[in-house]
Amino acid sequence: AQTVTQSQPEMSVQEAETVTLSCTYDTSESDYYLFWYKQPPSRQMILVIRQEAYKQQNATENRFSVNFQKAAKSFSLKISDSQLGDAAMYFCAYGSGNQFYFGTGTSLTVIP
Amino acid sequence: GAVVSQHPSWVICKSGTSVKIECRSLDFQATTMFWYRQFPKQSLMLMATSNEGSKATYEQGVEKDKFLINHASLTLSTLTVTSAHPEDSSFYICSAPWGSDTQYFGPGTRLTVL
Repeated sequence: AQTVTQSQPEMSVQEAETVTLSCTYDTSESDYYLFWYKQPPSRQMILVIRQEAYKQQNATENRFSVNFQKAAKSFSLKISDSQLGDAAMYFCAYGSGNQFYFGTGTSLTVIP
Repeated sequence: GAVVSQHPSWVICKSGTSVKIECRSLDFQATTMFWYRQFPKQSLMLMATSNEGSKATYEQGVEKDKFLINHASLTLSTLTVTSAHPEDSSFYICSAPWGSDTQYFGPGTRLTVL
């Protein structure tokens, strides 16, 4: 069965600094997608970034980028120039077909 | 991206009553929708997969008779919590896939059972 592991329950970062959130997963599939979702206090799940497993190039969305290591089954999220609005729970997710699996989440605090 | 709505956003009910939660895809059709439950400071737990025109698929341990799912159209799925009890109090989130892979989530419904 697919599993997604986030080993950092809590992280903090100084405003304007860079932080990296870790995620590892386990799968025997070759074709899948990986996602990072943000859940602010409003609890609305917001898609931050997605990565297609067959693409070697790391996805980037403005200040958010990923380090995708397929062989190591690692998918970390880097947030650059952290802003107060980045404070939230971040969930790593694995998707294949209609099956979706979430990690346990990392709570990110941004220190002014 | 795609927009998914949920209604109501917050509901309080008495123990023993039933509550219906709606999930709508606003600008796209969804033959499949997903219902999750989330406890405070925890991850999302998939409860069931809602299929338009057919029966929902429930995850192991989820009571089918307690959590009734109906996918009446290509844009609407409903979750009815029957004979609700305080232990059913939780945050319920729906999602719908858009394109071939990405899930878009509703804003969630907070259920409080007194």
